[in-house]
Amino acid sequence: GAGVSQSPRYKVAKRGQDVALRCDPISGHVSLFWYQQALGQGPEFLTYFQNEAQLDKSGLPSDRFFAERPEGSVSTLKIQRTQQEDSAVYLCASSLTVLAGSNEQFFGPGTRLTVL
Amino acid sequence: GQNIDQPTEMTATEGAIVQINCTYQTSGFNGLFWYQQHAGEAPTFLSYNVLDGLEEKGRFSSFLSRSKGYSYLLLKELQMKDSASYLCAVRDAGKSTFGDGTTLTVKP
Repeated sequence: GAGVSQSPRYKVAKRGQDVALRCDPISGHVSLFWYQQALGQGPEFLTYFQNEAQLDKSGLPSDRFFAERPEGSVSTLKIQRTQQEDSAVYLCASSLTVLAGSNEQFFGPGTRLTVL
Repeated sequence: GQNIDQPTEMTATEGAIVQINCTYQTSGFNGLFWYQQHAGEAPTFLSYNVLDGLEEKGRFSSFLSRSKGYSYLLLKELQMKDSASYLCAVRDAGKSTFGDGTTLTVKP
């Protein structure tokens, strides 16, 4: 496809359930980023990958959050034992590389997670 | 860490010029980005600055002063479709820190 895609677009989970959010980056993009965006706030960095290597996961809020990109393309963000405070839009972005230049990030449409 | 500050809301008139300011305090700096985000949509890239000075791109310009930790986004000939949130983001290696955005309302 032409852009970053994410699925599902909407997810409703009961508190305590596990969820998995998928991101398909633009083909050939080396870097992939995950963000959490609460209503009325800017995106908050969670983690990023360069190919299959997770280079920074300092933004993951707890050990309930886990991200992987095993083949350096598709990525999955997993949240275990969801809590109400996990309710947010989860944005995925990709870029050609993060190392130099004006390598803009292309964002997907996001997954809106609601935890009841 | 990074701290990004930008005004919460601004209002301007169609056809006018508006300047949205962003100040930042950072432990590292590899560039500053501006993104536009319409309600319910993903952010889209507007501009990038890594050296001091002005970058112009059509109706949009962005300025950076690294010594002052300051940037602004200038929007000219405002159109109704420019009503959106404008996000300032500072990149440090692979990590980008975003401000909470400035909601711009363009009135006829």
